[in-house]
Amino acid sequence: DAKTTQPTSMDCAEGRAANLPCNHSTISGNEYVYWYRQIHSQGPQYIIHGLKNNETNEMASLIITEDRKSSTLILPHATLRDTAVYYCIVRARGSNYKLTFGKGTLLTVNP
Amino acid sequence: DTAVSQTPKYLVTQMGNDKSIKCEQNLGHDTMYWYKQDSKKFLKIMFSYNNKELIINETVPNRFSPKSPDKAHLNLHINSLELGDSAVYFCASSPSDRGRSEKLFFGSGTQLSVL
Repeated sequence: DAKTTQPTSMDCAEGRAANLPCNHSTISGNEYVYWYRQIHSQGPQYIIHGLKNNETNEMASLIITEDRKSSTLILPHATLRDTAVYYCIVRARGSNYKLTFGKGTLLTVNP
Repeated sequence: DTAVSQTPKYLVTQMGNDKSIKCEQNLGHDTMYWYKQDSKKFLKIMFSYNNKELIINETVPNRFSPKSPDKAHLNLHINSLELGDSAVYFCASSPSDRGRSEKLFFGSGTQLSVL
């Protein structure tokens, strides 16, 4: 699976959009980009995933560059409850069935 | 209702003891997992079961033995506990066959402290 690079930490003001970048320059054609988050003292939570098209759901939007070497997770209106570690994971579907978590980005939403 | 539930939430024990962590999911999923999160917060997969069949074993010491009595349960038994086993253990499940689903649902974790 391709390696991902994320900033260690980011800050965002409450009510503003939070844009979390992820670099995956070695991604291959059959690999998807997944985002999970882990709120303190809880288990990880699935957010969104995509292959090459932009995706949106009730939680967030995922923007993947045309060359697929990077992506951005967008939380349109961040709240204090969005403070968490956000993990960007690249994995081929139907591969060896495991998600490999990196260090992630600690997003702190400030009032 | 909790979708993936683990018990106990906290477990404090002495080195050398044997302990078990239980996990149950009421989502009707086929695949269940155990992940370990160490003190540096790295989250690593340990095991995966699909319909009670082991499909992933990530070179975990054989002191760790998962047991799946049915597809809704995946328990983790640990023999001869060591200091390095101290971590948070997360159970997870996913809905599709052989773990191909992108959506894992995690439990709230069991914090194991070995003294």
